Amino acid sequence: DIQMTQSPSSLSASVGDRVTITCRTSQSISRYLNWYQQKPGKAPKLLIYAASSLQSGVPSRFSGSGSGTDFTLTISSLQPEDFATYYCQQSYTTPQTFGPGTKVDIK
Amino acid sequence: QLQLQESRPGLVKPSETLSLTCTVSGGSISSGNYYWGWIRQPPGKGLEWIGSIYYSGSTYYNPSLKSRVTISVDTSKNQFSLKLTSVTAADTAVYYCARQRGSYYGEVDYWGQGTLVTVSS
Repeated sequence: DIQMTQSPSSLSASVGDRVTITCRTSQSISRYLNWYQQKPGKAPKLLIYAASSLQSGVPSRFSGSGSGTDFTLTISSLQPEDFATYYCQQSYTTPQTFGPGTKVDIK
Repeated sequence: QLQLQESRPGLVKPSETLSLTCTVSGGSISSGNYYWGWIRQPPGKGLEWIGSIYYSGSTYYNPSLKSRVTISVDTSKNQFSLKLTSVTAADTAVYYCARQRGSYYGEVDYWGQGTLVTVSS
């Protein structure tokens, strides 16, 4: 299985901050990397697919980049509704695997 | 708007079989290019793909669970189902049904609300 790591595991930030989360994979996955946001008690929500494509309806302050084994999710200006846990997922091969998550909370 | 809704079995005893059904509304499960899957999340932990099915009935399972998992589809009812046998406390989790794009390991663009299944005697 492809192993996923995320850093940091958690971070504290303020409204308006620029936030960057990193996802690394144990082998190259080209650009088959997706990002999800999950709020407590809710299902995850797809934000970014194919490393950098913005899912319909997702605000443009979210962006993704990377290829191979290193990927980033950036929130350009953190909003109150963005406090949540973020997961990456590789869709390069089966079994699909998810990162352990990065929790973003209020400083 | 597509919606997915899991049934609610709640509590399952150890060694028994967990059974869940996902009802899809607002779209057809027979739409091409989409796969229908199950993903679980133990309390306070990360996400694990269980398996997926295409409307034709082709199934794909996580090797870590394959010996215990069966996923089936009923296109006439617009539903797909999960059976997980010989459950233990380690199977306690929120179970999500999901739609995946393009392949059975593609991104998930629609999720059910999730249902907590507790394995306990």
